[in-house]
Amino acid sequence: GAVVSQHPSWVICKSGTSVKIECRSLDFQATTMFWYRQFPKQSLMLMATSNEGSKATYEQGVEKDKFLINHASLTLSTLTVTSAHPEDSSFYICSAQRQLLAFGSGTRLTVV
Amino acid sequence: TQLLEQSPQFLSIQEGENLTVYCNSSSVFSSLQWYRQEPGEGPVLLVTVVTGGEVKKLKRLTFQFGDARKDSSLHITAAQPGDTGLYLCAGGDDYKLSFGAGTTVTVRA
Repeated sequence: GAVVSQHPSWVICKSGTSVKIECRSLDFQATTMFWYRQFPKQSLMLMATSNEGSKATYEQGVEKDKFLINHASLTLSTLTVTSAHPEDSSFYICSAQRQLLAFGSGTRLTVV
Repeated sequence: TQLLEQSPQFLSIQEGENLTVYCNSSSVFSSLQWYRQEPGEGPVLLVTVVTGGEVKKLKRLTFQFGDARKDSSLHITAAQPGDTGLYLCAGGDDYKLSFGAGTTVTVRA
C-alpha cells in the first residue's frame, strides 16, 4: 500500500513555457501532499505543502505565482511551473500523506 | 525549520568494509527517518526511529537514535555494491520533513 505516482517522469520544455507535473496517490486518499525540489548532488528542499481544497502553503523563498499548486482531490495534486527558465531545471518530487508518508518517483524537468 | 546535518558528505569504500553515516541536529525530533535514493528516483524509506536510545536493525543496516533524540546514525556492515546510493536522514512534524544534505555512498566491487 501507499503508492504515489508522478507524471511525467521526465520532461523537456522551452524557456518561457509552462509545465504541469501530476502527483497521484494510487491506493489511499492523501490528506496532505508535499512538493520538493532537488538539484544535482543536493538534498530535497521542501517547496510547499498542499492540502485538499485549500491554498498551498509555500516555504520561504518559493514564488507562489511561479510554482502553482492545485490540490483538487484527495488523490491528486499538480505543480505547474509557469514561464519556466533554465534555472528551474531540477528534479521535482512529491510525497503524499494520510497515516503513512509515501514519495513519488520524481520528475526530471529540463528547460532549454 | 529544523536543520539536520549529515556527515560525511561522500563516502567511498571497498566491498566488505563497514561504514557509518551520521545525522545531527540542535533540535529535538519526535522521530527521525532514514531514506535511500537512487539517481533519478524518489527516496525510499528505510526506517523510522522514534524512541531515544532506540536501535533498529535491518539486515546489515543498524540505525540508532540518540538518547536526546537530536542525532542518529546509520551503520552498514560488510557493504555491498548494491548499497551504493544517496542516504538521507529526515525529521519533522506532521510529515513536513526537513532533509539532511545527504551522504553519497559508493561501494566498489
